[in-house]
Amino acid sequence: IAGITQAPTSQILAAGRRMTLRCTQDMRHNAMYWYRQDLGLGLRLIHYSNTAGTTGKGEVPDGYSVSRANTDDFPLTLASAVPSQTSVYFCASSDRSSGTDTQYFGPGTRLTVL
Amino acid sequence: DAKTTQPPSMDCAEGRAANLPCNHSTISGNEYVYWYRQIHSQGPQYIIHGLKNNETNEMASLIITEDRKSSTLILPHATLRDTAVYYCIVRVPEHSGGYQKVTFGIGTKLQVIP
Repeated sequence: IAGITQAPTSQILAAGRRMTLRCTQDMRHNAMYWYRQDLGLGLRLIHYSNTAGTTGKGEVPDGYSVSRANTDDFPLTLASAVPSQTSVYFCASSDRSSGTDTQYFGPGTRLTVL
Repeated sequence: DAKTTQPPSMDCAEGRAANLPCNHSTISGNEYVYWYRQIHSQGPQYIIHGLKNNETNEMASLIITEDRKSSTLILPHATLRDTAVYYCIVRVPEHSGGYQKVTFGIGTKLQVIP
């Protein structure tokens, strides 16, 4: 069982370009999340999805969009990248039907926007 | 979510038990204690969680005081691979239509020494 996979591992992107970060989980978790982690700011929630077909905005959603067409995949799209979106991006998932809703994280994507 | 307080850093000799404390004096009755760790450049890794009883799994043990105002994560035989930042968080599992993000504080940087 792989858990959560993210792709790419790292990427350098020119400002203004479109980029999709991929996230796939094989735990059949109903909820998925996208965070960004920046030095001194900790983890910040970008978007989330409580179940396939639904999405919601987190703390810092501007400039990002997500979709949840099925249970396993939760891609994050930057429509027109800007340098302030340089960060490490983590995808997470959880089983909201369990008693404790523990979130499990992927390995991350390191994105640099020039 | 209740605030947690952890020492910023600790050292532990390889092979010895690492005992990482966490204070959460304002914890409410329905909040769980979770522990995660983050090894440099990797995604946060879930370790263990508990409500009021002590818990043990293949990675660690969690000791929660009777008044639930503090807890200790125990790594019974620390290895060099356990060098990481350890985060203690308290949160209520979210089961309604909203979301529950994971918020890490500063954490404890554990250095396992050969």
